[in-house]
Amino acid sequence: QKEVEQNSGPLSVPEGAIASLNCTYSDRGSQSFFWYRQYSGKSPELIMSIYSNGDKEDGRFTAQLNKASQYVSLLIRDSQPSDSATYLCAVPASGGSYIPTFGRGTSLIVHP
Amino acid sequence: DVKVTQSSRYLVKRTGEKVFLECVQDMDHENMFWYRQDPGLGLRLIYFSYDVKMKEKGDIPEGYSVSREKKERFSLILESASTNQTSMYLCASSQSGARNTEAFFGQGTRLTVV
Repeated sequence: QKEVEQNSGPLSVPEGAIASLNCTYSDRGSQSFFWYRQYSGKSPELIMSIYSNGDKEDGRFTAQLNKASQYVSLLIRDSQPSDSATYLCAVPASGGSYIPTFGRGTSLIVHP
Repeated sequence: DVKVTQSSRYLVKRTGEKVFLECVQDMDHENMFWYRQDPGLGLRLIYFSYDVKMKEKGDIPEGYSVSREKKERFSLILESASTNQTSMYLCASSQSGARNTEAFFGQGTRLTVV
């Protein structure tokens, strides 16, 4: 059973701070890693993908991957109240099926 | 712009009814998925399909069936709806391969069984 673990939170940060979200996974063969944002009552929306060790930046978002330690993280700089949502980590299975396993998500609250 | 469309945003059905949830994608993706999402339980995979007429059970297939007669369409069927199937249902699609396998979601169907 492939597992993806996230702290459920809520993670509460003040506006303008850096929010740090973490995810660990069990499938050592996984090659792709995704972060989704889900607002309450809405469906998940892809915000970042990362395939190689290291950092990948896109605007205020930075994804970090460490395959040796089997963790992936998402940093949100200059957090805004509109960033308040649940963030899901997704890891497609290795071995050909590529079925994504999702973590249960971390709830982020950015307060003014 | 990629698009996954679910036939209904909200549905209310009676216990024992047969329920059809439809999903269509326009990205020519091989893979399609049905998840349900409940508070505290996250996204749970019901069924997935990797090709036309091909299907595999996910983690919670009991009480559900699926149909994929065309590549772009994947239907979820509740054979006899029960109150414990009240949930948010999410359809997703993705392409096969080692890269670019991100899943794209439809808008979700909130099903209430009374």
